Order: sequence, then C-alpha cells, then structure tokens
Amino acid sequence: QSALTQPPSASGSPGQSVTISCTGTSSDVGTYNYVSWYQQHPGKAPKLMIYEVSKRPSGVPDRFSGSKSGNTASLTVSGLQAEDEADYYCSSYAGINNMIFGGGTKLTVL
Amino acid sequence: EVQLLESGGGLVQPGGSLRLSCAASGFTFSSYAFSWVRQAPGKGLEWVSSISGRGGSIYYADSVKGRFTISRDNSKNTLYLQMNSLRAEDTAVYYCAKDMQYNSDWRAGDYWGQGTLVTVSS
Repeated sequence: QSALTQPPSASGSPGQSVTISCTGTSSDVGTYNYVSWYQQHPGKAPKLMIYEVSKRPSGVPDRFSGSKSGNTASLTVSGLQAEDEADYYCSSYAGINNMIFGGGTKLTVL
Repeated sequence: EVQLLESGGGLVQPGGSLRLSCAASGFTFSSYAFSWVRQAPGKGLEWVSSISGRGGSIYYADSVKGRFTISRDNSKNTLYLQMNSLRAEDTAVYYCAKDMQYNSDWRAGDYWGQGTLVTVSS
C-alpha cells in the first residue's frame, strides 16, 4: 500500500488561510470516511486535529477544518497563527484493517 | 488524565529482538483499540500494528508481518510490541496511540505516548 500523497510544504502569513491536500485512491480516501489529520511539532508526539474527514476533537480550534472530494482530502487552517507552524500528516483507513499515512506537509507561517 | 508511557526502546543488532511496552492510565483501557505507529528519523509516520480492546482482532502492516507481535494485558493496562528479526529499516521512534472511539477498531489516535527510540545497528 503506497503512502497518501501530500505536498512537502505549504506556507501562509498570519491571519491567512492555507489548505493542505492529501491524495489517495479509490481503495482508501475515496471509499472510506476515516480520514484523519495530525499536527506534529518538532520532537513531539502527533496530535489529532481532524477525524472522520471533518470532525474536530474537543479542544481543537475551529480554525481547523477538513473536507473530502473523491480521492482527495483537504485540511484548511484559517486565521493562521505562529503556533500552527508544524508538520501535518493525513491518514486513511485502507480496508482489511490497514491504515496508511501521508508523507507529511511542513507548514510555515511567514 | 489520560497518560501513555512507552518504554523498552534501545540499541539492538540486526536480527535481534526487543519488546516495547506502553503503560496506560486515566481511562478504561480494555474498552479501546490501540495502534503502534513509528517514525524513522526525519521521515513521516508509518502505521505498524493495531489491536482491539479485548485483543481478539489484530492487524499488521506488511512491512512487519511475521516479525512483530502486538499484544495487550488488560489486567495491567499495558500494550506490548514484540519485535523480532529486527532490520536497520526498523530504526524509528515508536509511538503507542489510543483509538478515540469506544469499542471500535483503530481508526484515529486521540492520545499518543511520547515515543521510544529503537535503533537497529551493528
């Protein structure tokens, strides 16, 4: 199973919005609504930001939102803040109880 | 407060074995599925293995199938990963992650441990 495809980098200025894509196939993202997004700061454990495509866990700011169209999921961060600078990973259920992650996107707040 | 504390990492020679542990507290351990997820130095996240709450359903990534064994002891609130026939490409920080849904297979990790580093080298 190949990793989901994410852009290596993304950037935006404080207050702006940025969208990170996550492209899979009809065997994972396209079929299942189990797409999650994780934020990881350097040297830290991943933090769940979005689950089941668009749901936010308690405590995650509503500046973070998720969506899906076909085989591509997206994470949008609105009103960028300095603390949003981190690596972001998507993941998807891929059937037969396999999970796959994307390669990660480094988000820079300019 | 949910806490996950991994241990057992270290330096091991190729072909060797290691057992990782993840001690959990702050919730009903047996009601949640768990996964091990690893991250090679400077690389992305890779799902390794998952186990259901009662241990009856177990799944592995192809890269570790036949070499790694996931298990849990619900009486001790502890998750394990037995790693045999280790290879250089298994070098990574290994995280345990709790599923966010009650009595579900692992689909998303809402709590993660701090990670334990496994280095496979001669």
